[in-house]
Amino acid sequence: DAGITQSPRYKITETGRQVTLMCHQTWSHSYMFWYRQDLGHGLRLIYYSAAADITDKGEVPDGYVVSRSKTENFPLTLESATRSQTSVYFCASSGDRQVAFFGQGTRLTVV
Amino acid sequence: QKEVEQDPGPLSVPEGAIVSLNCTYSNSAFQYFMWYRQYSRKGPELLMYTYSSGNKEDGRFTAQVDKSSKYISLFIRDSQPSDSATYLCAMGVDMRFGAGTRLTVKP
Repeated sequence: DAGITQSPRYKITETGRQVTLMCHQTWSHSYMFWYRQDLGHGLRLIYYSAAADITDKGEVPDGYVVSRSKTENFPLTLESATRSQTSVYFCASSGDRQVAFFGQGTRLTVV
Repeated sequence: QKEVEQDPGPLSVPEGAIVSLNCTYSNSAFQYFMWYRQYSRKGPELLMYTYSSGNKEDGRFTAQVDKSSKYISLFIRDSQPSDSATYLCAMGVDMRFGAGTRLTVKP
């Protein structure tokens, strides 16, 4: 299917565990983004990527790792999950940095 | 100070009202300004985007940018219950978002 997909949609994990959230897009967009959305904070940029093998930190990168070995994939890893990382995570892709398409989100709970 | 400030509301209006949503920003380098709409439990979807200052109209929606004041607005005319959603402004090449304004349009 064409578009941008995130997996899993829901995840519960324990404090201290490593978790990877997946993001896949089929448009070959150059730019990809990871955001977290929390009540009162809106969408906060975690990391973004301008192309394969090029990534940059956003506003709240601490505790997260990204990689982009292929244009279509942009996984986000929480190296050692903490309760403060409980959030809804959105991945987005863009061909031109103006029009971005978002995935459906991953609802992550860290217990 | 956050780069992008947006009043989170909530905002409640009767059907047919004109809605005004606003954001202010601090980074004068921003050139691209976007408005996204997000329904509950969904990802945001792009509503409109503008480049630099000026107005842009699309149906019942009008986006305005005033770079001198670092202020952007989204107007919704003849608001409908289906417009009930959270509206987020975004700007800049790495797409910094405001907190989002939750809008309810009552029939």
